[in-house]
Amino acid sequence: GAVVSQHPSWVICKSGTSVKIECRSLDFQATTMFWYRQFPKQSLMLMATSNEGSKATYEQGVEKDKFLINHASLTLSTLTVTSAHPEDSSFYICSANPKGPEAFFGQGTRLTVV
Amino acid sequence: DAKTTQPPSMDCAEGRAANLPCNHSTISGNEYVYWYRQIHSQGPQYIIHGLKNNETNEMASLIITEDRKSSTLILPHATLRDTAVYYCIVRPLTSGTYKYIFGTGTRLKVLA
Repeated sequence: GAVVSQHPSWVICKSGTSVKIECRSLDFQATTMFWYRQFPKQSLMLMATSNEGSKATYEQGVEKDKFLINHASLTLSTLTVTSAHPEDSSFYICSANPKGPEAFFGQGTRLTVV
Repeated sequence: DAKTTQPPSMDCAEGRAANLPCNHSTISGNEYVYWYRQIHSQGPQYIIHGLKNNETNEMASLIITEDRKSSTLILPHATLRDTAVYYCIVRPLTSGTYKYIFGTGTRLKVLA
C-alpha cells in the first residue's frame, strides 16, 4: 500500500518556541493532505486540510496563526506549531489519499512542550 | 457526515472471532461505512469499507444490515496484535474532500 511518513516521530521543545512537523507521501503525489491532533485517550480531531499550492482550510476552532500549514510540493506538507505551550502537547497525525477515499496515515508525531 | 455509535470497549479471546458493532441510524443513501483501526501510538490503518453488500478482505469482514442502519466488523481469528481502537466512520464515497471525522471508537482488547 501507499506510504505516508512523518518526521520527527517525537519532539520535545521549550515553551515559546516553534516546531515544524513534516508529512511526506513517499510513493504517490498528494494535492491534499490532512492534519489531525489527538490528546491522550481521545479520538483524532481534524485540524485542517492542506492544499498544494494554496492556503490550508482550517476546521472551526483551530487557530490558523498558531498552526501554520505549508504544502509547497505534491509530496510534502508541513505543520508548524508556533509559540508552543504545554497545552499544545499532543499526538499530531497526517493523512493523504493516493486515489479515492481510502486514507493512509503517517505514524504520528508526539509533541511535548516543556 | 452521519454520526456513528460504538461501544467504548470490548474484550475478545485470542483465536476467537471479534465482532465489533456500529450504529449509524442516520446514514443516507450515498454514504459508505468505513472501518479504521489505531494501534497504540500509531496512525490509523484502513481495514475495509462497504455500501450495502457484505464485504470481505484479508483483514476482516463487514456485515451491513439490510436497512443500513448498523454494521458489524468481524475479525475472524483475533490475535494479540489486533488489540487497538476501532473506528467506524460513515461518509460519502466522493464528497469533494476526503477528510474523515472520527468518533470515539471501540477499544478492543484481545486476551491471551
